[in-house]
Amino acid sequence: SQQGEEDPQALSIQEGENATMNCSYKTSINNLQWYRQNSGRGLVHLILIRSNEREKHSGRLRVTLDTSKKSSSLLITASRAADTASYFCATKGNTGGFKTIFGAGTRLFVKA
Amino acid sequence: NAGVTQTPKFQVLKTGQSMTLQCAQDMNHEYMSWYRQDPGMGLRLIHYSVGAGITDQGEVPNGYNVSRSTTEDFPLRLLSAAPSQTSVYFCASSYSRGGETEAFFGQGTRLTVV
Repeated sequence: SQQGEEDPQALSIQEGENATMNCSYKTSINNLQWYRQNSGRGLVHLILIRSNEREKHSGRLRVTLDTSKKSSSLLITASRAADTASYFCATKGNTGGFKTIFGAGTRLFVKA
Repeated sequence: NAGVTQTPKFQVLKTGQSMTLQCAQDMNHEYMSWYRQDPGMGLRLIHYSVGAGITDQGEVPNGYNVSRSTTEDFPLRLLSAAPSQTSVYFCASSYSRGGETEAFFGQGTRLTVV
């Protein structure tokens, strides 16, 4: 079973609005990463947040991490049509081992 | 800098055929991995390698073999293709082991088994 689960599965918004996606995971983690995938392409890394961090920013992206709730959120502010993509969270557990596990993703559609 | 290169981009196999999906990276990354992506399932880890000569199983290893004879290459072998292996396959690499740094992905191989 997958470690991370994104919510919602799909999200449709107007250009200029903010988009929020959530990720929940099951076991203790070392870090959590967010990736974007445009249709038919490979994944592109967006941001990594470590287990001892609570919030991180990168341009229009804001990621939060709540280890007590085993959850993270990705906020995209002032969305653009070019933000239309699938977004995945990925986690690496802190119990040793080297597996990075991905969730099922959130499909974001930004209408121009 | 080519990054992560996967070949072929598309492949159609008949049930029972074997083939190798190629993956090469030119970033001297230690860690490489293979994922498959099915609709609504996200990416599932098949096999991974933490360095030349070292491989290990991921979430869904059955039906697949890997080897890592060099740092650059990490081929994925399908021994006897089955329709259940129809999927999009992604190879990824990262500088350090298991996710301390960002992963770089190839463009994917779309495999259909008929």
